[in-house]
Amino acid sequence: AQTVTQSQPEMSVQEAETVTLSCTYDTSESNYYLFWYKQPPSRQMILVIRQEAYKQQNATENRFSVNFQKAAKSFSLKISDSQLGDTAMYFCAFFNFGNEKLTFGTGTRLTIIP
Amino acid sequence: DTAVSQTPKYLVTQMGNDKSIKCEQNLGHDTMYWYKQDSKKFLKIMFSYNNKELIINETVPNRFSPKSPDKAHLNLHINSLELGDSAVYFCASSQVRGSGTGELFFGEGSRLTVL
Repeated sequence: AQTVTQSQPEMSVQEAETVTLSCTYDTSESNYYLFWYKQPPSRQMILVIRQEAYKQQNATENRFSVNFQKAAKSFSLKISDSQLGDTAMYFCAFFNFGNEKLTFGTGTRLTIIP
Repeated sequence: DTAVSQTPKYLVTQMGNDKSIKCEQNLGHDTMYWYKQDSKKFLKIMFSYNNKELIINETVPNRFSPKSPDKAHLNLHINSLELGDSAVYFCASSQVRGSGTGELFFGEGSRLTVL
């Protein structure tokens, strides 16, 4: 069974700074996807970014980018030029094509300080 | 037009009652899920259905019974509600097979409070 670990329960940074959220996972699978989801106070789950395990190139979406280290089973999220609207819970998630299950980490509560 | 919609958004009920939460997706996806988010925000999968077939059934009490009348709908019925059932329940859908990416599209969640 796969596990996803987020070791930072809470983080806070000043507006406009850069912040990196950590995520590690454990799996014996070779084909999988990794995701970062954002959950603002409205509680809606919003996809931030997706990474295919077979791709070596790190995914980027505007101010959001990942550092995917497959051998180390690490998948960190970098948020550049942070904005007040980035305040939310951030969940790392692992999708296993074998059992078609998306497993979430415990989340990191990120606060952007004005 | 909401992609994944679930009703009701809020539900307050007494211990021992039976309640249902409905979910519908208009994305044409083949797989639907129920997740439970507890007070510590931990998201745990409960069930998944692929084209009306039960795929994932985690260790959930049998008071919880999912029903999928067609691939666009997945309802959750809970019997004999207990205090510990208080949580936010999320419905989600995904295109898993074929060209699927495993990305889940979530409904807005249903907050269940058991008194």
